[in-house]
Amino acid sequence: GIQVEQSPPDLILQEGANSTLRCNFSDSVNNLQWFHQNPWGQLINLFYIPSGTKQNGRLSATTVATERYSLLYISSSQTTDSGVYFCAVAGTSGSRLTFGEGTQLTVNP
Amino acid sequence: DVKVTQSSRYLVKRTGEKVFLECVQDMDHENMFWYRQDPGLGLRLIYFSYDVKMKEKGDIPEGYSVSREKKERFSLILESASTNQTSMYLCASSSTYGTQETQYFGPGTRLLVL
Repeated sequence: GIQVEQSPPDLILQEGANSTLRCNFSDSVNNLQWFHQNPWGQLINLFYIPSGTKQNGRLSATTVATERYSLLYISSSQTTDSGVYFCAVAGTSGSRLTFGEGTQLTVNP
Repeated sequence: DVKVTQSSRYLVKRTGEKVFLECVQDMDHENMFWYRQDPGLGLRLIYFSYDVKMKEKGDIPEGYSVSREKKERFSLILESASTNQTSMYLCASSSTYGTQETQYFGPGTRLLVL
């Protein structure tokens, strides 16, 4: 099945800093989503982005499907951005989502 | 907004008990999913359903079964709970399987099996 690798596994920032999270995947995809899991365990969908670029406030994401990677940018980070960020993909065969292991982000005041 | 609810946030059961985890979504989604989340392993798919009374095995179905008698409700059943089933269980729903729509998650159930 499709493999998903996220980096870095852990990231510690000071409030106000910018960061880039990366997701590499091993095959062509027709579905790629970024999620944020807050410290209480709730997963929130951030972006549906199998290709191209999207922005939502301080967050933006870019997927380069031909090179099999996606990037999540967080600008002017806030303590509420802390949590785990997951990338999940589905291949072109229509298979279900496969999740990466996540990036644990800690934003300190 | 889509709302996915799970019957319990925390649950403690004993080895050998039959355990039911309930998930309800209010957006008429066709697809529903059960995952478990363990440290260092990310989310792994247990079972999913793309229609009422339909079910498909995910990556780790052993020791679990599911039921979908109504479109809005998807139940995960641990036939005989074991300590290695201690985990966080997450339910999700989406409107189109594996294509355009995003998955929406419930708050999760932390299950401890003693």
